[in-house]
Amino acid sequence: DAGITQSPRHKVTETGTPVTLRCHQTENHRYMYWYRQDPGHGLRLIHYSYGVKDTDKGEVSDGYSVSRSKTEDFLLTLESATSSQTSVYFCAIRGGESYEQYFGPGTRLTVT
Amino acid sequence: QQQVKQSPQSLIVQKGGISIINCAYENTAFDYFPWYQQFPGKGPALLIAIRPDVSEKKEGRFTISFNKSAKQFSLHIMDSQPGDSATYFCAASIMGGSYIPTFGRGTSLIVHP
Repeated sequence: DAGITQSPRHKVTETGTPVTLRCHQTENHRYMYWYRQDPGHGLRLIHYSYGVKDTDKGEVSDGYSVSRSKTEDFLLTLESATSSQTSVYFCAIRGGESYEQYFGPGTRLTVT
Repeated sequence: QQQVKQSPQSLIVQKGGISIINCAYENTAFDYFPWYQQFPGKGPALLIAIRPDVSEKKEGRFTISFNKSAKQFSLHIMDSQPGDSATYFCAASIMGGSYIPTFGRGTSLIVHP
């Protein structure tokens, strides 16, 4: 494993509540990514970060926000969770010299 | 717009057989093509990757074949084993910058003993 942890690993929440998922890395990598994985859709990028306080949107960013105040932590927030955000969320990291992304173990989020 | 099309969605192979997964892309600027393997309950992990300056890359039982003119690339798993049962994702990207790969939708491979 590439030193990536995600918390929580599982979460059930109700529609309309805020949810924050955390990605923590010990590799000091510059790039961090949040993906969601849904059956039939593969991996879709939500947001990514290319440095502390530097973030940008991916293809499915609506309803999500991110923050990166430290190199090691990348937070994904659902301001008001909806059932369509039920998914498995993966964080990934990448060092600047390599094109290999290392993925975390995932967080399974269920919005009821 | 689906920039990377992956097929088949699912594949069942007997032990010892050859598993073949195909991907096609549209953006001719893509210049890096990785394949990821994902076991249930785990995150994807890089399996093998190729750049368009070569037509084939082999690592053990895994081979990527690349056809630049057809804008297609494929993963071949020789002598498939039950332990190869997983979901496989192809991806395509432009090297450099923030490196944002576009993933195919995945292929669920089952290798029967």
